[in-house]
Amino acid sequence: EDQVTQSPEALRLQEGESSSLNCSYTVSGLRGLFWYRQDPGKGPEFLFTLYSAGEEKEKERLKATLTKKESFLHITAPKPEDSATYLCQTHDKLIFGTGTRLQVFP
Amino acid sequence: DTAVSQTPKYLVTQMGNDKSIKCEQNLGHDTMYWYKQDSKKFLKIMFSYNNKELIINETVPNRFSPKSPDKAHLNLHINSLELGDSAVYFCASSQERRGVDNEQFFGPGTRLTVL
Repeated sequence: EDQVTQSPEALRLQEGESSSLNCSYTVSGLRGLFWYRQDPGKGPEFLFTLYSAGEEKEKERLKATLTKKESFLHITAPKPEDSATYLCQTHDKLIFGTGTRLQVFP
Repeated sequence: DTAVSQTPKYLVTQMGNDKSIKCEQNLGHDTMYWYKQDSKKFLKIMFSYNNKELIINETVPNRFSPKSPDKAHLNLHINSLELGDSAVYFCASSQERRGVDNEQFFGPGTRLTVL
């Protein structure tokens, strides 16, 4: 069965404390992955798309990486405005992960 | 300029009623989608649609039906509403269904409450 699991479920960080979020999947014929950010009461907002193992994408304090079985979203020196739920989603089958709720405290 | 808009933002209705949620995108995209986000915040694809293909998630009850009057609109009709239909429904659009440009742009969501 196709499954996408994210960990941790929730993460509390001090401002400036770097960390990583994980998205692991067992999806047949996976062709790539999206990362989104969702703020409370809003729709998901696109961050990155990754197509092949070894690929990396960066945007400000965020860097996304992809292997054959998982993807990581690295957050370097986060700020309170990075607080949100981060979601990964498979291409093609459009299966969302369970999400990681990130809180960054000043 | 709102890229993907949905109406209404909130919808409260009784069990057994029929309701519709409207979605419009002004991005010129070819493909539109409907997602359901349940009380545990889990997002699940319901439909994807372009002028050539409707893909329905097999778990979606046939009480739910998408209707597209034109490329910029994809409305969601729900018949005989049930308590379990209470959720937030998101519309989204993308340039393509598959391939390089299929990242999705989401609307603000419609919170449906069935009493």
